[in-house]
This record gives sequence, C-alpha cells and structure tokens, in this order.
Amino acid sequence: DTGVSQDPRHKITKRGQNVTFRCDPISEHNRLYWYRQTLGQGPEFLTYFQNEAQLEKSRLLSDRFSAERPKGSFSTLEIQRTEQGDSAMYLCASRLSGSGNTIYFGEGSWLTVV
Amino acid sequence: DQQVKQNSPSLSVQEGRISILNCDYTNSMFDYFLWYKKYPAEGPTFLISISSIKDKNEDGRFTVFLNKSAKHLSLHIVPSQPGDSAVYFCAASLSVRGNEKLTFGTGTRLTIIP
Repeated sequence: DTGVSQDPRHKITKRGQNVTFRCDPISEHNRLYWYRQTLGQGPEFLTYFQNEAQLEKSRLLSDRFSAERPKGSFSTLEIQRTEQGDSAMYLCASRLSGSGNTIYFGEGSWLTVV
Repeated sequence: DQQVKQNSPSLSVQEGRISILNCDYTNSMFDYFLWYKKYPAEGPTFLISISSIKDKNEDGRFTVFLNKSAKHLSLHIVPSQPGDSAVYFCAASLSVRGNEKLTFGTGTRLTIIP
C-alpha cells in the first residue's frame, strides 16, 4: 500500500526560474490537494482537484502558479518566475470521496529560491 | 485572521507522563477536527480526528477531547514516549458540499524528555 508520493523532495532554484513538482496520490483516491507550508506556520490550502477537475483555488495561488491533474491521476504544480517568497514546503494530499474528511499527505517538496 | 490557534509553540514532557496539546478555534461552523504529527522535513501524518457530534475519541495512547461551547479541543497522549517528539498540528474543516479546505493551526513542538 503506497502512500502519496512527491517528486522532487528538494529543489534549489535561482530567482526567476520555473519549477515543477509532481504528486502521485494514493491509488484510487479521486481528490487531490496542494498545500504550502512555511517555517513556523501550519499548512495553507492552495487548491484541490476532484478527478481531473480543479474545483477550488486559494487566493494564495497567484497567476504564477498553475496546477494540473490530467486524466485524474498524478498532478503537477508549476511555479513560474520564482521569487524568494515562494521558498516553502509544497505538500500534496489525497483522499477518496465518501471516506471521511481525513486527507493523507505526502512527504512534501522543499523549494528554496536563491 | 487565524481561525485555528495553537497558543503554545512548544511543550516539554517527561517520558511516561501525559502530554496535553491544546487548540482553539473561532469559527463555530467548523464540524470536523483532526490532529496531525510532523517530523522535520516530512509531510504531516494523520493521528486522530473527531466529529462535532462527539466530545471524545480514543485511539490507543491518543485521545482527542472537543468542547464545542468553548471552541476548544485537546489531544492527550499517555503515556508519552520519545518517538512522540514532533510538531503537532490541529486542523478544522467545514462539512459543506464543495468545501474541501482544512484550516491548520501553527503547531506545537512537543519534546519528550527521557
């Protein structure tokens, strides 16, 4: 039974570059979530998908951020023209509709923008 | 506007004693609450949850208590073990169709002293 998988686990990039993170949810989980966590804070909701449809986006998700979930399986989160303020851990989570409100997180992708 | 608050940034407890972590919330519409545990550089791990129709839920060494009138919940860990040293986040959600967001507190760092 594999959990939520995220790749890469760590990414260091120069300001202005684009980065992309991938998330593979738990098999058969149709809901997929992206959260962001900065030091000293709890995770903050960014967006979620039900199957391939992106149903909600936080105002934290600026125009430089885009998330996709083609075919309703894995998801990608792309950040364009990265800024130092984008440095954070990006967390992916998933759950199965109708199985309760608990979501299960992956190990996260650390982004450092220098 | 911090709707979920964990006012103690850190807590130290002797091994074998009880650890009590507290969480307060301001939105009386929240109806589902969760506790997650997080080790450094890893994603949050689900521990235990409680619905607002209950005031207590137990799972092994972990018990969550909910006081709706005070908008307060607590996590009790007994007996505390060294492996419990981690950051603990409480989270709340609103079970309204279309709302999928978990709102997290800022976390409490628990240190178990051998």
